[in-house]
Amino acid sequence: GAGVSQTPSNKVTEKGKYVELRCDPISGHTALYWYRQSLGQGPEFLIYFQGTGAADDSGLPNDRFFAVRPEGSVSTLKIQRTERGDSAVYLCASSLRGPTDTQYFGPGTRLTVL
Amino acid sequence: AQTVTQSQPEMSVQEAETVTLSCTYDTSENNYYLFWYKQPPSRQMILVIRQEAYKQQNATENRFSVNFQKAAKSFSLKISDSQLGDTAMYFCAFMKPGDGNRKLIWGLGTSLAVNP
Repeated sequence: GAGVSQTPSNKVTEKGKYVELRCDPISGHTALYWYRQSLGQGPEFLIYFQGTGAADDSGLPNDRFFAVRPEGSVSTLKIQRTERGDSAVYLCASSLRGPTDTQYFGPGTRLTVL
Repeated sequence: AQTVTQSQPEMSVQEAETVTLSCTYDTSENNYYLFWYKQPPSRQMILVIRQEAYKQQNATENRFSVNFQKAAKSFSLKISDSQLGDTAMYFCAFMKPGDGNRKLIWGLGTSLAVNP
């Protein structure tokens, strides 16, 4: 079946602009995660959805970052007033809640803020 | 708080040889999961192998196996018969199961180059 998809693959924007990054999880996966991966680093947790609700948003760096998942499937990560420090690869993962609960990742969106 | 440490930023191995990547972690939990993920230049994070802490038997997936030492909090990955396609970043990750957030906590990664 189809894996996790993310759009766009690459996004270049100017400092101060607003961007939206989209994630389509694997069908039937109720858990969805956003991670941010800076150059040369491991991913860092941003936010976790269980169904439609953000069950844990403790990883969001500040209030410029927001994410939604209105119908419990597709999720959008929104970044307002982008800064150069927001440049990174944004990874989305989904999992089927249960004993195995392995997270499957999308290819990521590379965000570059000029 | 849990932490994951990968002490080898870069490694290289000759094709068909065996290589071992190191990972240590720190936790006070007794039940948890450990993972190795592979990230090739395409950026897609691919699960290589997983280990449940309550299982004493080391996990194996074809050419990939782990040496899980719970008391030492060590979780190394062995790649046998290395292939050119194994060239990638390898990340070790920790997850605490439970009813809440099952976020992954990651190491910094090891860049593995398989040379012909």
